[in-house]
Amino acid sequence: DAGVTQSPTHLIKTRGQQVTLRCSPKSGHDTVSWYQQALGQGPQFIFQYYEEEERQRGNFPDRFSGHQFPNYSSELNVNALLLGDSALYLCASSLLSATGYTFGSGTRLTVV
Amino acid sequence: AQTVTQSQPEMSVQEAETVTLSCTYDTSESDYYLFWYKQPPSRQMILVIRQEAYKQQNATENRFSVNFQKAAKSFSLKISDSQLGDAAMYFCAYRSAGWNNDMRFGAGTRLTVKP
Repeated sequence: DAGVTQSPTHLIKTRGQQVTLRCSPKSGHDTVSWYQQALGQGPQFIFQYYEEEERQRGNFPDRFSGHQFPNYSSELNVNALLLGDSALYLCASSLLSATGYTFGSGTRLTVV
Repeated sequence: AQTVTQSQPEMSVQEAETVTLSCTYDTSESDYYLFWYKQPPSRQMILVIRQEAYKQQNATENRFSVNFQKAAKSFSLKISDSQLGDAAMYFCAYRSAGWNNDMRFGAGTRLTVKP
């Protein structure tokens, strides 16, 4: 049973560019949450998708947007990249009614 | 807003010994869930143990156990018989049982296990 799959694993972008990160949830899960984890810090909640709609959002600017597809997979888009966007981006899936998350191994984004 | 605080940036333990990691949280809710996650260098968050706030009994998973003090809003993790493979970042996390149920994490504790 495949867990949460994220792609790519590593990415290097230039300031001002746009990036798209992808996540395939664990089989049977319907909810996808995205987190940003800066070096040496705990993950910070970006947003959560359920039934193809953004259900909740953390304290992140509109440059961060997302999408969920009918097969429950999800994308995280970041526009106008800043150096401070360099971080590990984690995707977590769950059932909306469940208590815990299953995490992917993340995408390491470096902005230069 | 709910906040999670881990006051120990780093901890060290001798192999086979016991170590306790501390976590406190702030919430006005009565129904919620608490978690400890382990993050090794592979980066993937691995669930160590989970506690439901409505349960008075402390959760236990093999060598891992928690001390849940609801009134004090404290949720510590005890690792017994520490093994080299326990070395990792450990994150305490809170999740509301209500509508706004995103998971909130502490800043983490880096655990080193000495042979």
